[in-house]
Parts: sequence; C-alpha cells; structure tokens
Amino acid sequence: AAGVIQSPRHLIKEKRETATLKCYPIPRHDTVYWYQQGPGQDPQFLISFYEKMQSDKGSIPDRFSAQQFSDYHSELNMSSLELGDSALYFCASSPQGNVGYSPLHFGNGTRLTVT
Amino acid sequence: AQTVTQSQPEMSVQEAETVTLSCTYDTSENNYYLFWYKQPPSRQMILVIRQEAYKQQNATENRFSVNFQKAAKSFSLKISDSQLGDTAMYFCAFMNADSDMNRDDKIIFGKGTRLHILP
Repeated sequence: AAGVIQSPRHLIKEKRETATLKCYPIPRHDTVYWYQQGPGQDPQFLISFYEKMQSDKGSIPDRFSAQQFSDYHSELNMSSLELGDSALYFCASSPQGNVGYSPLHFGNGTRLTVT
Repeated sequence: AQTVTQSQPEMSVQEAETVTLSCTYDTSENNYYLFWYKQPPSRQMILVIRQEAYKQQNATENRFSVNFQKAAKSFSLKISDSQLGDTAMYFCAFMNADSDMNRDDKIIFGKGTRLHILP
C-alpha cells in the first residue's frame, strides 16, 4: 500500500541557509500534518493543512512557512536556519473526518542537520 | 489544553516477559482517541494500537493490549510475550475527536518510554 513519502531523507545545511522539505500524502488523504522531533524528544506539532488551507498551528517558528498544493502535497520552508533546527521532521496524513478509523499515517521523516 | 504524561522514561525486560507501559492524560473533552505509537531505531512512527474514548472495551492487537480507565484518565499498554523486535521508543498520544469546526485534531504526544527487550 502507498505510504506517506517525504523527501529528502537527509539534508545538511549551514546556519542561515534555507531548506525545503516535501511531503506527499497517501492518495485521497487531504489533511497533512508536520511534526518536529529533536534528539531524544517527543514529536512536536508544527502546522497542519486541510484542503490546501492551514487548519491548525503549533510551535512553528516565524522563520518557517508551509503550504499545501492542489495535488495535496505539502512543503515546509525553513529560512535562516539555526543549529537548534537540527531534528527529524515528520509529515503525516489522514483523510478528513475519519481520523479515528484511519489514524495519522507518518512518513519516514527528513533528518535535517544544521552545521 | 490537553497533556499526555509518561512517567517511565526507560524500561528493560527479558524476552518473553510481559511489560506494562504507563500513560496518563488530562483533558476536559469527552470524545477523543488515544494511541500508542512505536518508534524503533529506524525512527519510523508506527501505530501500535488505538482506543476510542466512547468504547468501554479495551483495544487488543495480537500481543498488544491496553487498559483504558476513562475516569482515571489512564491508558496503559501491555505487551505480552515480548520479543527482541519490540525494542523501541513508545509514545502515548491523544487526539481530540470533536474537531469539526476548529480542526483541533492534531496528535499530542507524551515524552515517550524507551523499552529494551533483553535476550
């Protein structure tokens, strides 16, 4: 079965650079969530989109922005990168209104290292 | 705001033993979902088991079962006949089910319990 696809798997950037992370949800899933998991930490919710509109916002820095496109894929743009941004970034998707029967499906994550 | 608490940062048990991971949560909502996710060294997030708050019957998935105590806001995970492949970080998680208009449907995770299954 198709899963959530994230690219790239690994990304190394220098401080103050920009990074773009991509997420391709499971087909027919219209809701996308982004999570950030620092080393040894629990995943922290960043932002979510439903039908291409932002639906909820968590602890996402102002330096980050995200959007969901017409094909439902989403991109997380991160500017002025800081060392503390080094983390595993998860994308998850779900079909709207059906989460209890089809819980969030997570991608394998993008590991961002800022040097 | 909802919170999820896992009071056991790390646990170790022998292979084939039974182990119980604790989780408590705090919410004023009446309708919600609870999950246990497994994160092995590969760092994938894998759903282990799911419980709907309106269901009194405890969820079971093969060797994994939960003890859901709604009044006590407790949601523990029991792993029976533990296997080496069960070694992982386990996250307890909460999601509000009544999220039609405000879309407050993000999952909130506990801090996790690192489980080691010893040969």
